[in-house]
Amino acid sequence: GQQLNQSPQSMFIQEGEDVSMNCTSSSIFNTWLWYKQEPGEGPVLLIALYKAGELTSNGRLTAQFGITRKDSFLNISASIPSDVGIYFCAGQRGGATNKLIFGTGTLLAVQP
Amino acid sequence: KAGVTQTPRYLIKTRGQQVTLSCSPISGHRSVSWYQQTPGQGLQFLFEYFSETQRNKGNFPGRFSGRQFSNSRSEMNVSTLELGDSALYLCASSSDPDNEQFFGPGTRLTVL
Repeated sequence: GQQLNQSPQSMFIQEGEDVSMNCTSSSIFNTWLWYKQEPGEGPVLLIALYKAGELTSNGRLTAQFGITRKDSFLNISASIPSDVGIYFCAGQRGGATNKLIFGTGTLLAVQP
Repeated sequence: KAGVTQTPRYLIKTRGQQVTLSCSPISGHRSVSWYQQTPGQGLQFLFEYFSETQRNKGNFPGRFSGRQFSNSRSEMNVSTLELGDSALYLCASSSDPDNEQFFGPGTRLTVL
């Protein structure tokens, strides 16, 4: 199945460090979304981006919709232990479908 | 407002059996999508329903089917189960197509 290229695959950091992850696609999307998933749970929506070049923040999280519409990045500032989880990007082409194409995921571990 | 609910949360079946999973979307949401999550393939789109109509279908065999009821609740069915069908099945709802999707906790299916 189709998956977007997401990097890094995993990150092991100290509490208080900043984190950056990105997602790239060979095709254009109209919407980019970032989700976080914790063990035994479904993905939780963190940020949605609707416009090329858009920069959106949600607390310590900041995400950008790439100008080419083929990429997006997510930054987490001053990480805390509860940031632990798997982060997924997802692209949506829109139109007559709600279908999301997900990235391969970034596993984040934060050491107190 | 209650989130997306999925039942059952866990299910164990044997090869050859069939299974039905249920999803209740957020109140007022008319769009429901289903995804399969496995370690090897990640999150893959199964199908999408809006107002009782299937709007899109992913690249899965015909053993996977679904439907949506007039109250927007949705079910998916997998017949003649195979070992490879073991996965976390996630349901997501949105207020209408193109809007942000919110995921339920998933149903963990194990096929023995």
